[in-house]
Amino acid sequence: EPEVTQTPSHQVTQMGQEVILRCVPISNHLYFYWYRQILGQKVEFLVSFYNNEISEKSEIFDDQFSVERPDGSNFTLKIRSTKLEDSAMYFCASSEAMTGDSHNYGYTFGSGTRLTVV
Amino acid sequence: LAKTTQPISMDSYEGQEVNITCSHNNIATNDYITWYQQFPSQGPRFIIQGYKTKVTNEVASLFIPADRKSSTLSLPRVSLSDTAVYYCLVEAAGNKLTFGGGTRVLVKP
Repeated sequence: EPEVTQTPSHQVTQMGQEVILRCVPISNHLYFYWYRQILGQKVEFLVSFYNNEISEKSEIFDDQFSVERPDGSNFTLKIRSTKLEDSAMYFCASSEAMTGDSHNYGYTFGSGTRLTVV
Repeated sequence: LAKTTQPISMDSYEGQEVNITCSHNNIATNDYITWYQQFPSQGPRFIIQGYKTKVTNEVASLFIPADRKSSTLSLPRVSLSDTAVYYCLVEAAGNKLTFGGGTRVLVKP
């Protein structure tokens, strides 16, 4: 079964440092997403990416965040200057959504990167 | 206003069938109903999706009445490894997913 791969599985960083979380989505998927889940809380949407540009972003996704698809396989989330409240599990997901089709395909999530800001 | 309402938690025993009902009174014509499962420290995992009537796959069944204002996820003969949080979502194709609190299912021996 195809998987979404995320690296690293765990990252510890000092407040104010930049971090890059990496994801390899499923190869034939067209839509890419980042979600996060603070410990004990809901899974929250951050950003969606399609056709090499951001299609939607949440209020959480402020100027400290950026996404990039530098090549045909990787999808990255950069946090420019981390804050303590950025500590969370970050999940990458991809989907093969077919607008106008009768089907809507489920998302495939990665196993996540646990980011700890100290 | 929450899109979906589901029980906070449910307990069951190994071998039993677990049915989780989700209310989505304001579902739109182009919305699909999707269920995800999440284990601790893991990403949500797609279980099943439907639009109307009944859908069945190798792990679950999804029952959707004609008015589509609710849906029921049915897990047959659960095992201890089915202990997880189950999320009901309603979204249009290509839209972001909005997760609620989900239903914590605890399967006991």
